[in-house]
Amino acid sequence: GEDVEQSLFLSVREGDSSVINCTYTDSSSTYLYWYKQEPGAGLQLLTYIFSNMDMKQDQRLTVLLNKKDKHLSLRIADTQTGDSAIYFCAEMGGGATNKLIFGTGTLLAVQP
Amino acid sequence: DTGVSQDPRHKITKRGQNVTFRCDPISEHNRLYWYRQTLGQGPEFLTYFQNEAQLEKSRLLSDRFSAERPKGSFSTLEIQRTEQGDSAMYLCASSRGQENSPLHFGNGTRLTVT
Repeated sequence: GEDVEQSLFLSVREGDSSVINCTYTDSSSTYLYWYKQEPGAGLQLLTYIFSNMDMKQDQRLTVLLNKKDKHLSLRIADTQTGDSAIYFCAEMGGGATNKLIFGTGTLLAVQP
Repeated sequence: DTGVSQDPRHKITKRGQNVTFRCDPISEHNRLYWYRQTLGQGPEFLTYFQNEAQLEKSRLLSDRFSAERPKGSFSTLEIQRTEQGDSAMYLCASSRGQENSPLHFGNGTRLTVT
């Protein structure tokens, strides 16, 4: 079955790097996504990675994928207080639906 | 690109009442998804449309829930005889429908059943 797991909470100081981890179970997942959710808001797409890639960098964001271990991480460089939010990883399985299966989310708290 | 729009933002209703939510997807997107999110959890898939056809429904979608997308544009989600367990954020998303088209989410409708 499909299952995505994340640690619940991460606290960092402003200016440090944050690393949010995620594990998934569906080996047929073609794309993996990171979304950000601020209080009371919907989900904002941050970045995604195709399953045949190991790494993707987009400005302050670096995504690492270890397909063998089904482990995905999101690194945020120079973390700012505005990065405080809940971060969800999601897998998109194979098939026609293209629906996303989400993890439970990691609350990132950035201390000034 | 005006984004995915959902209405209302908040809905408070009494147990047993019917409620209806609306979602307007991004205009050129032919796929539309409904998700439900409860406190402290990630979004859970409810149902999916390609144009006007409802192609998949989750087991979470009980008989009290019905979704429509009559003209392949906006969609409605109706919950009949609401229960307190229906209290959640209902999120709508849309995508182009090509491989790896990412899902773009609206800001959701927060339902509180008293």
